[in-house]
Amino acid sequence: DAGVIQSPRHEVTEMGQEVTLRCKPISGHDYLFWYRQTMMRGLELLIYFNNNVPIDDSGMPEDRFSAKMPNASFSTLKIQPSEPRDSAVYFCASSATSGSGELFFGEGSRLTVL
Amino acid sequence: AQSVTQPDIHITVSEGASLELRCNYSYGATPYLFWYVQSPGQGLQLLLKYFSGDTLVQGIKGFEAEFKRSQSSFNLRKPSVHWSDAAEYFCAVGPYSSASKIIFGSGTRLSIRP
Repeated sequence: DAGVIQSPRHEVTEMGQEVTLRCKPISGHDYLFWYRQTMMRGLELLIYFNNNVPIDDSGMPEDRFSAKMPNASFSTLKIQPSEPRDSAVYFCASSATSGSGELFFGEGSRLTVL
Repeated sequence: AQSVTQPDIHITVSEGASLELRCNYSYGATPYLFWYVQSPGQGLQLLLKYFSGDTLVQGIKGFEAEFKRSQSSFNLRKPSVHWSDAAEYFCAVGPYSSASKIIFGSGTRLSIRP
């Protein structure tokens, strides 16, 4: 299996622009997670989906952030409008109910907002 | 409250020396414990996990960890480190088969002295 695939790996944008991050989970996994990693706050869970349905978005920092999962093989995390404080590495991870609960992470998308 | 504490933010060891990274947890139920490693520019990769059975578990890359219930600890060890072990290491705890409830520690950055 190719693992969790994220794109883009790096994104540099200007404040106020829309940013869309993409994720393809491991085939057969029914859970998908979006995390944000910063030096100050460490690894934060933003939102997770089960069978394409958002279950808990309490970690989404504000309304500028939104996430969708239109099908089992694709999810997006959108920031509109972006701000410099959104600069971070965003990770997508997937997991299987039938498994033991471990997470499989993508390589991350490093976002820099100028 | 449920939490994971990694008391060492940064550790430097010489190549070939032994390593122990500390992890303490607070968890109300039977814990499912993990160690993940994050190499520079990469996502998190599972090193090892423990739920039940032998309290000394072996993982990938020559790592092992020992679960000590009385001390609420799950320390990671390696008898002889290699330069390629330089990375960030995260301890995590959660319930079995429920990745959505995994709690991560703040991480320990490992540097290797030539």
